[in-house]
Amino acid sequence: GAVVSQHPSRVICKSGTSVKIECRSLDFQATTMFWYRQFPKQSLMLMATSNEGSKATYEQGVEKDKFLINHASLTLSTLTVTSAHPEDSSFYICSARDIEGTGRGYGYTFGSGTRLTVV
Amino acid sequence: DAKTTQPNSMESNEEEPVHLPCNHSTISGTDYIHWYRQLPSQGPEYVIHGLTSNVNNRMASLAIAEDRKSSTLILHRATLRDAAVYYCILRDGGFQKLVFGTGTRLLVSP
Repeated sequence: GAVVSQHPSRVICKSGTSVKIECRSLDFQATTMFWYRQFPKQSLMLMATSNEGSKATYEQGVEKDKFLINHASLTLSTLTVTSAHPEDSSFYICSARDIEGTGRGYGYTFGSGTRLTVV
Repeated sequence: DAKTTQPNSMESNEEEPVHLPCNHSTISGTDYIHWYRQLPSQGPEYVIHGLTSNVNNRMASLAIAEDRKSSTLILHRATLRDAAVYYCILRDGGFQKLVFGTGTRLLVSP
């Protein structure tokens, strides 16, 4: 149980275009989803927290107009990288929190990641 | 967010036990200790978590110091598939996000 599907796994796009990444919880409902980015040989950096039906909360230094997050249902969150540039090339990873996990210290499941290359 | 300190890397031989340490001297009473691992080009995978007592599951054991300022992830018999970056993370019970530190890269030799 507790599977998170992230799509696409790899994407190459041209500079200036937008890319959408989907994160789905397949067998559980996720009130909260998280988006991370990871550069080579570095740790995961939290970008934003999204709660179903409300606006995302972005971490300091993350441009909310560039990284659009939508969490329209309890099983789907999307991250859109707008007007992508080569410096946006990175490994993007989503995580979903099981609705049953509240206060019990567990219930975080991660997607397999999306490698974005902007050329 | 309370911080954790881990060694950058550790090495082990296959089928030997591995003890991965984590220091978290600023831990608060409501912080849970989570361990995740990440294989190359994959998302992190849950390993184990705990609050105060030692914990065991099919993947590993978590030993938590009595003062909770440190913990140790124990892999009882390392395999080549255990080679990964292991992250020790503190999560405030009142907040939801997981903030990753630098982790420990575990190398396992045959």
